[in-house]
Amino acid sequence: GIQVEQSPPDLILQEGANSTLRCNFSDSVNNLQWFHQNPWGQLINLFYIPSGTKQNGRLSATTVATERYSLLYISSSQTTDSGVYFCAVGGNTPLVFGKGTRLSVIA
Amino acid sequence: GAVVSQHPSWVICKSGTSVKIECRSLDFQATTMFWYRQFPKQSLMLMATSNEGSKATYEQGVEKDKFLINHASLTLSTLTVTSAHPEDSSFYICSATNSLGGGYTFGSGTRLTVV
Repeated sequence: GIQVEQSPPDLILQEGANSTLRCNFSDSVNNLQWFHQNPWGQLINLFYIPSGTKQNGRLSATTVATERYSLLYISSSQTTDSGVYFCAVGGNTPLVFGKGTRLSVIA
Repeated sequence: GAVVSQHPSWVICKSGTSVKIECRSLDFQATTMFWYRQFPKQSLMLMATSNEGSKATYEQGVEKDKFLINHASLTLSTLTVTSAHPEDSSFYICSATNSLGGGYTFGSGTRLTVV
């Protein structure tokens, strides 16, 4: 099956800093989503981005499908950005999740 | 947008009892739903694929007799954890393909604690 690797596994940022999270995947996919899991466990869908670039406020994402990776950019980080960020990919199959990046933003 | 409603949000049950978790698509029809399990500080692992009107497909290592899945309508799938044990304590979350486009939509999850 598809393998998904996320890096870094853990990240600590000072409030206001920028960061880049990476997701590598092992096979062609037609679905890639980035999620933020809040402390209550709820998965917040950030981007549906099987290819190309999207932006939503301070967040943006880029997927280079031919090179099998995706990047999530967080700019001007805030304490509310803390949590776990998951990349999940799929072909004509259910989503397979990476192990996530645990982000802590400190004031 | 597409919404998947999951209930209950949390449940505590005694060892040996059964617990039912419901997952409903509120504004779209979901012929297929997916059930995931997440242990503390781990990723989400697919347990099974729920198909409307037919038997669920279980991932390797998931006991079909323990985790009963019923998908009787186009908007409702249920997961019943039978004869629950403390090791079944976990976060269970469902998802469905967003027929409106934009990938998969997830429910809010159910935190199960078996005591």
